[in-house]
Amino acid sequence: AQRVTQPEKLLSVFKGAPVELKCNYSYSGSPELFWYVQYSRQRLQLLLRHISRESIKGFTADLNKGETSFHLKKPFAQEEDSAMYYCALDTNAGKSTFGDGTTLTVKP
Amino acid sequence: DAGVIQSPRHEVTEMGQEVTLRCKPISGHDYLFWYRQTMMRGLELLIYFNNNVPIDDSGMPEDRFSAKMPNASFSTLKIQPSEPRDSAVYFCASRANVGNTIYFGEGSWLTVV
Repeated sequence: AQRVTQPEKLLSVFKGAPVELKCNYSYSGSPELFWYVQYSRQRLQLLLRHISRESIKGFTADLNKGETSFHLKKPFAQEEDSAMYYCALDTNAGKSTFGDGTTLTVKP
Repeated sequence: DAGVIQSPRHEVTEMGQEVTLRCKPISGHDYLFWYRQTMMRGLELLIYFNNNVPIDDSGMPEDRFSAKMPNASFSTLKIQPSEPRDSAVYFCASRANVGNTIYFGEGSWLTVV
């Protein structure tokens, strides 16, 4: 069975500091991985997906199949990045499993 | 498209009452998901449908929960009878195909007292 693990429930950094939100997965097939973000009292929305290899709002994430990881990184955190971040995995059958989420707080 | 539409946005009900949450997915999307979000357990997948057919309901907590998708534009999640521990935000989401972006509704905030 597939599983997504986000080891940190809470993460706090100062503005301008680098930030890394960890995500590990287990899945026997070829995974499709995503990061979603939920700002306060808003709906979840896509931040980025691994096959796009793009940078959104300064965030990047690299799929490491050897370590089964898909960590989200940003070199200089901004206060508006404060939100809950979810890592998600799609299986070949279409099932989308989310991690427990990490709440990021960027302090001024 | 107006996106995924959920109703009601907020509901407060007494323990033992029946609760029905409704969802209208984005037109043309083949997949529909129901998730539950709580502080303790994060975002849990309850059930998902493909072309109106339930594919995996292993996340449904117990028999008190049921979900239906009678057609491509409507789904319901029902809790009967409701209990205080069911209090959570219930999200409906839809997706066009495997590997595509999932679009979430704004959620239904359920409080069972």
